[in-house]
Amino acid sequence: SQQGEEDPQALSIQEGENATMNCSYKTSINNLQWYRQNSGRGLVHLILIRSNEREKHSGRLRVTLDTSKKSSSLLITASRAADTASYFCATDAGAGNTGKLIFGQGTTLQVKP
Amino acid sequence: DAGVIQSPRHEVTEMGQEVTLRCKPISGHDYLFWYRQTMMRGLELLIYFNNNVPIDDSGMPEDRFSAKMPNASFSTLKIQPSEPRDSAVYFCASRPDRGGNTIYFGEGSWLTVV
Repeated sequence: SQQGEEDPQALSIQEGENATMNCSYKTSINNLQWYRQNSGRGLVHLILIRSNEREKHSGRLRVTLDTSKKSSSLLITASRAADTASYFCATDAGAGNTGKLIFGQGTTLQVKP
Repeated sequence: DAGVIQSPRHEVTEMGQEVTLRCKPISGHDYLFWYRQTMMRGLELLIYFNNNVPIDDSGMPEDRFSAKMPNASFSTLKIQPSEPRDSAVYFCASRPDRGGNTIYFGEGSWLTVV
C-alpha cells in the first residue's frame, strides 16, 4: 500500500496563480521528498524536508511539514505553463536508513497559459 | 553524468513471452531500485539492492518476476511468462550510500503485453 496520499488528484490553474498540493502519510519518517514527473519521463527530485524542519524554500517552491498531522504541502508560486506535470511526495521508512522510498499517488497539475 | 540508463525504452510483446528490462545505475551509486508505474496502482517499489545484494523484494508481484544485479553497473528485471496485466512503465533508480536518500530515476521502460 502507498505510504503517501496526495490531494487533490488533479489541479488545473491559470498561469501566474499559485498551486498547492498536499500529502499525507501514515508512519514516522526521517524526511519527506517531493518529485516531479513530466509526461513520458522519469521522476526528478525537487526538494527534501527533514522531520525536524517545518518549512523549506527552493526558488518558487515552498514545502511545509507537520509531523503531528503526518502531512506536507507543496506550494508552487507564480505558476508557469512549464510547471505542468505530476507531483509526488515520497517518504522513507522511518527509523533506520533502509534506503526505501515509498511514493504517493501523485497530483496532476495543469497550468493553462 | 549520464544518469540512470534503461533499455529498452519501449517494448511490445505477446503474452507468454519472456521480457528482460535492463538498467545501468549512475556510477558510484550503491542502491538500485526497480519501480513499476500504472494508472491503477501508481508507483510501486518492486525490489531494491544495496551493493548488488537484494535487500527487499516484498514488492515483487509473483514468481514470474525476478531481478538480478550481477555487478555494480548492471541490473535486470525479468518477467517470464509475461501477461497483459504486466503492462506498465518500469523505472530503475539509483542513489549513493551517503548524502541523503534522494534517488535518481531513469526514463523508464514502457512495456505493453498483448
